[in-house]
Amino acid sequence: KNQVEQSPQSLIILEGKNCTLQCNYTVSPFSNLRWYKQDTGRGPVSLTIMTFSENTKSNGRYTATLDADTKQSSLHITASQLSDSASYICVVSAGYQKVTFGTGTKLQVIP
Amino acid sequence: NAGVTQTPKFQVLKTGQSMTLQCAQDMNHEYMSWYRQDPGMGLRLIHYSVGAGITDQGEVPNGYNVSRSTTEDFPLRLLSAAPSQTSVYFCASRAPGERGRTGELFFGEGSRLTVL
Repeated sequence: KNQVEQSPQSLIILEGKNCTLQCNYTVSPFSNLRWYKQDTGRGPVSLTIMTFSENTKSNGRYTATLDADTKQSSLHITASQLSDSASYICVVSAGYQKVTFGTGTKLQVIP
Repeated sequence: NAGVTQTPKFQVLKTGQSMTLQCAQDMNHEYMSWYRQDPGMGLRLIHYSVGAGITDQGEVPNGYNVSRSTTEDFPLRLLSAAPSQTSVYFCASRAPGERGRTGELFFGEGSRLTVL
């Protein structure tokens, strides 16, 4: 069964600090991995996509990494801002149609 | 562009009542889907459609019906609401994939449903 596990479940950090969110997956055949940001009361929005051949990709203060050998991805947030408070969901695609969602990491950035 | 529009945002039903959650997209995406999101669980696929006139079941289809008469609209019907269907429902459409990648999902704002 395809699974996506995220850690930690929740995280509180001070504004300006960095943090790293983890995603481990057992999805086959692997197609790509996306990180989504979900603000409270809103729908998820894609941050970045990682394919098998990509190790690192940045989107502003967000940097995603992928290790296809160990089936792990991380999302690193640099110099966090209050607006980064949200849930971050790892979504892994198997083949062309099927996607598996992680349960998300809830990040709270405090002043 | 409005993207994906869901209505209503909030709804309270009594057990046994029926209702329809509306979903419309203006991006001309062929693929549309409905998910439910419950605390501590990932988004779970209810039904999906790969084009007008074509629908299929997802992971948790029981108690829900869908139809796809146009590319733009994909309503979700609750036939006889049960307390277990209390959840937040998201509609999404998916952009075409490029170079073998699964396309990006575009989500609506969600519909929070409470069944008493």
